[in-house]
Amino acid sequence: KQEVTQIPAALSVPEGENLVLNCSFTDSAIYNLQWFRQDPGKGLTSLLLIQSSQREQTSGRLNASLDKSSGRSTLYIAASQPGDSATYLCAVVGAGSYQLTFGKGTKLSVIP
Amino acid sequence: EPEVTQTPSHQVTQMGQEVILRCVPISNHLYFYWYRQILGQKVEFLVSFYNNEISEKSEIFDDQFSVERPDGSNFTLKIRSTKLEDSAMYFCASSTTDIGGTEAFFGQGTRLTVV
Repeated sequence: KQEVTQIPAALSVPEGENLVLNCSFTDSAIYNLQWFRQDPGKGLTSLLLIQSSQREQTSGRLNASLDKSSGRSTLYIAASQPGDSATYLCAVVGAGSYQLTFGKGTKLSVIP
Repeated sequence: EPEVTQTPSHQVTQMGQEVILRCVPISNHLYFYWYRQILGQKVEFLVSFYNNEISEKSEIFDDQFSVERPDGSNFTLKIRSTKLEDSAMYFCASSTTDIGGTEAFFGQGTRLTVV
């Protein structure tokens, strides 16, 4: 059974700092990996999708990498802003599956 | 920008009552999903739906749950006899192709409180 782990569970950084969020998964047989943002009491906003054949994806200040063989992904946020404060979720689609398996998330606080 | 819309945003119901959660997926999407998130826990998969039938379901999705696409725009989740442990945020999602090939877009969720 696929398990997704995100470390750290919470992170607090000063505004302007670059930061990295980590995600690991136990079964490397995946179709893709998706990073989401969740604001308190709100839905999930898709940030980046990396297909299993890709190594990284970029969108603005966000860069996500994927190392499928080692079961790891990172989300890099450049020049963090207070508006980036949210919980960031990592999720994978396992091969032969129609479902996303989520990690518990990293709660990010960017201090002005 | 197209979005997944869920109604209501919050529903309170008594234990044993039936509830229907409603979703309008993005119009050109063909694959639909329900997930739930119990407070403080991970987002969990419930069911995927394509071509008017269930593609995959989790162990959570037992006989108390059902899904339906009653018309060309709505996608519903019904819980027949709610239990206290059904209290959670329920998310609807949709995608253009199967989720192995494309990103999923989620709604804002319905917070279900069973009392």
